[in-house]
Amino acid sequence: EPEVTQTPSHQVTQMGQEVILRCVPISNHLYFYWYRQILGQKVEFLVSFYNNEISEKSEIFDDQFSVERPDGSNFTLKIRSTKLEDSAMYFCASRGTQGVYGYTFGSGTRLTVV
Amino acid sequence: GENVEQHPSTLSVQEGDSAVIKCTYSDSASNYFPWYKQELGKRPQLIIDIRSNVGEKKDQRIAVTLNKTAKHFSLHITETQPEDSAVYFCAASAWSDYKLSFGAGTTVTVRA
Repeated sequence: EPEVTQTPSHQVTQMGQEVILRCVPISNHLYFYWYRQILGQKVEFLVSFYNNEISEKSEIFDDQFSVERPDGSNFTLKIRSTKLEDSAMYFCASRGTQGVYGYTFGSGTRLTVV
Repeated sequence: GENVEQHPSTLSVQEGDSAVIKCTYSDSASNYFPWYKQELGKRPQLIIDIRSNVGEKKDQRIAVTLNKTAKHFSLHITETQPEDSAVYFCAASAWSDYKLSFGAGTTVTVRA
């Protein structure tokens, strides 16, 4: 079964540093998402991306966040200057054109800001 | 935006008994309602979903019901087993964007 791959699985960073979280969506999928989950809380939508541009973003996704699909296979989330409250599990997801049956989450990157 | 409420937050059941989790949503435009199971440290896994043109759907021991008028939907797990122990999340989205709004989760513990 095709998978969404995320790297790294765990990232520890100093407050104020930039981090880039990487995702490789399923190859024939066209819609990409980032969600985050603070420990013990619900999964929250960050941003959706289609046709090389952001289609929707949440209030969490402020100017410190950006997304990119640099080479047609990777989908990245960048946090420019990390804060302690950015510590969370970040999940990438992708889906194809067949509807939500193609909606697949990656295994996540645990980001710890110290 | 969409607001999804989920109850209860924790649920402990004896093995073999049934478990029921309930969710309500606020946005009448929502028309897709998936349920995810998440084990500790793992990704959310889709276990069942329902669309707004269907009132009930069943897959072996798992069933989901939807009441669009009342804006609520429920997950039913019958004959629970220890491997059903996990956190379960309901979610809602509209077909226009498939952005998922999640409930707060229910920690289900199945006692052997």
